[in-house]
Amino acid sequence: GAVVSQHPSWVICKSGTSVKIECRSLDFQATTMFWYRQFPKQSLMLMATSNEGSKATYEQGVEKDKFLINHASLTLSTLTVTSAHPEDSSFYICSALRASGGYQETQYFGPGTRLLVL
Amino acid sequence: AQTVTQSQPEMSVQEAETVTLSCTYDTSESDYYLFWYKQPPSRQMILVIRQEAYKQQNATENRFSVNFQKAAKSFSLKISDSQLGDAAMYFCAYRSAWGGSQGNLIFGKGTKLSVKP
Repeated sequence: GAVVSQHPSWVICKSGTSVKIECRSLDFQATTMFWYRQFPKQSLMLMATSNEGSKATYEQGVEKDKFLINHASLTLSTLTVTSAHPEDSSFYICSALRASGGYQETQYFGPGTRLLVL
Repeated sequence: AQTVTQSQPEMSVQEAETVTLSCTYDTSESDYYLFWYKQPPSRQMILVIRQEAYKQQNATENRFSVNFQKAAKSFSLKISDSQLGDAAMYFCAYRSAWGGSQGNLIFGKGTKLSVKP
């Protein structure tokens, strides 16, 4: 199968601090990873597309200076929530795109990270 | 822009029975992929089944099968012999056939499936 891990699974932090979330593809290489945010009882909202070795592409309305994304290797992407505030509290999910037959076809998801900012 | 619509916010099925979840989509592209993902209470997104638009044959994965109607832009999921573990939120998703940064998923709003013992 295709396994994607996320760390930490949950984090509580004080307002104003920064939080880093790691997303790793454990058994495949992923040139593209995605970061989503999910509010309770809602669908996933794409925040940004992370490409290995290049700058991330952010969706409209997502502050790139607040949500820093780094994709330094083919198996690791990180999302840093800078100067977190209570409104940043949410469930963050990453996914990794697994290539097959020359096409990048299927996204596999990490287990998510619950962030609570006090 | 592509859109995905799931018109059933909630569905319920008796254990061992069959249930069908609806999904329609809108696109001007001819080549794309369609997916059903399951999100149980743990919130881990799990791939249930995928369909390539160029394939006429409906995808099946054990108890899960799809009814893919390309002309009607419909992609329903049938769950046979429903089990308690099938209870979850189900998301239908669309992805363009072109990869890279254009390969992001477009999700429907989801259908919450309850399974009654």
